[in-house]
Amino acid sequence: NAGVMQNPRHLVRRRGQEARLRCSPMKGHSHVYWYRQLPEEGLKFMVYLQKENIIDESGMPKERFSAEFPKEGPSILRIQQVVRGDSAAYFCASSQIAEGEKLFFGSGTQLSVL
Amino acid sequence: EDKVVQSPLSLVVHEGDTVTLNCSYEVTNFRSLLWYKQEKKAPTFLFMLTSSGIEKKSGRLSSILDKKELFSILNITATQTGDSAIYLCAGGNNDMRFGAGTRLTVKP
Repeated sequence: NAGVMQNPRHLVRRRGQEARLRCSPMKGHSHVYWYRQLPEEGLKFMVYLQKENIIDESGMPKERFSAEFPKEGPSILRIQQVVRGDSAAYFCASSQIAEGEKLFFGSGTQLSVL
Repeated sequence: EDKVVQSPLSLVVHEGDTVTLNCSYEVTNFRSLLWYKQEKKAPTFLFMLTSSGIEKKSGRLSSILDKKELFSILNITATQTGDSAIYLCAGGNNDMRFGAGTRLTVKP
């Protein structure tokens, strides 16, 4: 039973490029959450999605950031025109609807913006 | 604004010591509090607490929630070097808010 899969593990982008981070939830999980972690800081909530629906995006920056969880395929966190301040570890988590908010995390994507 | 505050931010102990990590929360629409252990990368689940006063135990780890005072503690007894990690707590409903974590270092 594969856990939450995130790819790539490491992503290097130059300023102004686009970054796409992918997350496949655990089998049977229909809820996906994205978090950002800066060095020496805790996890900051970004967005919560169900299939084809954004439930809560209150933690997402208003510009350049978007997320989707299509009917088929992984959830995507997209960052357009990246800046150095976007450098961070981005974690995805998933949960079963029956479990509520017991989250299982992926290994994260480390984004480095040059 | 929802917030979760953990203390201490860092802690250094020796093997065999007992530690208590604190987590206070102010979260609207609270449903549960979660504890995670983060080593290297992905946080791993430790406990989910939804009811006050009921202690959850797993080996040398235990945790309890006080919904009246809005806090939780995580206890680790007889610490080992393998317990060295960042311990995160999170509170909320579907949108869990995380604290900054407590960095625990256990020295031999």
